[in-house]
Amino acid sequence: LAKTTQPISMDSYEGQEVNITCSHNNIATNDYITWYQQFPSQGPRFIIQGYKTKVTNEVASLFIPADRKSSTLSLPRVSLSDTAVYYCLVGDMGSGGGADGLTFGKGTHLIIQP
Amino acid sequence: GAVVSQHPSRVICKSGTSVKIECRSLDFQATTMFWYRQFPKQSLMLMATSNEGSKATYEQGVEKDKFLINHASLTLSTLTVTSAHPEDSSFYICSARSRAANEKLFFGSGTQLSVL
Repeated sequence: LAKTTQPISMDSYEGQEVNITCSHNNIATNDYITWYQQFPSQGPRFIIQGYKTKVTNEVASLFIPADRKSSTLSLPRVSLSDTAVYYCLVGDMGSGGGADGLTFGKGTHLIIQP
Repeated sequence: GAVVSQHPSRVICKSGTSVKIECRSLDFQATTMFWYRQFPKQSLMLMATSNEGSKATYEQGVEKDKFLINHASLTLSTLTVTSAHPEDSSFYICSARSRAANEKLFFGSGTQLSVL
């Protein structure tokens, strides 16, 4: 399993764009990069997943450079409700028989201020 | 996205009793489900992997006789904490792998277990 490194915490303000970078130097060929958001006393919520280049959905964008050794989650125009812990996970999601429960790192505690 | 239902959301029990937590995939078939434990201000720790119709695979340090896992169908897995003690108090979370959704993991809402 590829180990991930993220900043422990980040602060920003409402309306700003927030970028959280995750390092995964030993990512394997079959590994996908997935980001989850977790609020206190709730289960993690899927945000976005990608393999390479750029992925965008209604809530975030994910930028992955060519070497795939890092990835950046971009949250546009954050609000107070985006205060949460964000986890970057790397694992083999593509194999039909995969049983990878994915290893959670410490995550990034994002605090949004008014 | 796919929905994973976890019940109960909160349980308080006396020391020595057993507690069962259910995890259901509501709109997809989950061949694999996972159980995690999370202590306050810490990350999720994988406890075990549960495959439908077979015995669960436990992570190192997790007692299989204490945390009984049953995955009887493609939509239901249960975790039973047997003879619970105060040190078992924690937030337990299940997740299910959706084959139809490019193998993404979807998580339940978690169960806060408090053992008195």
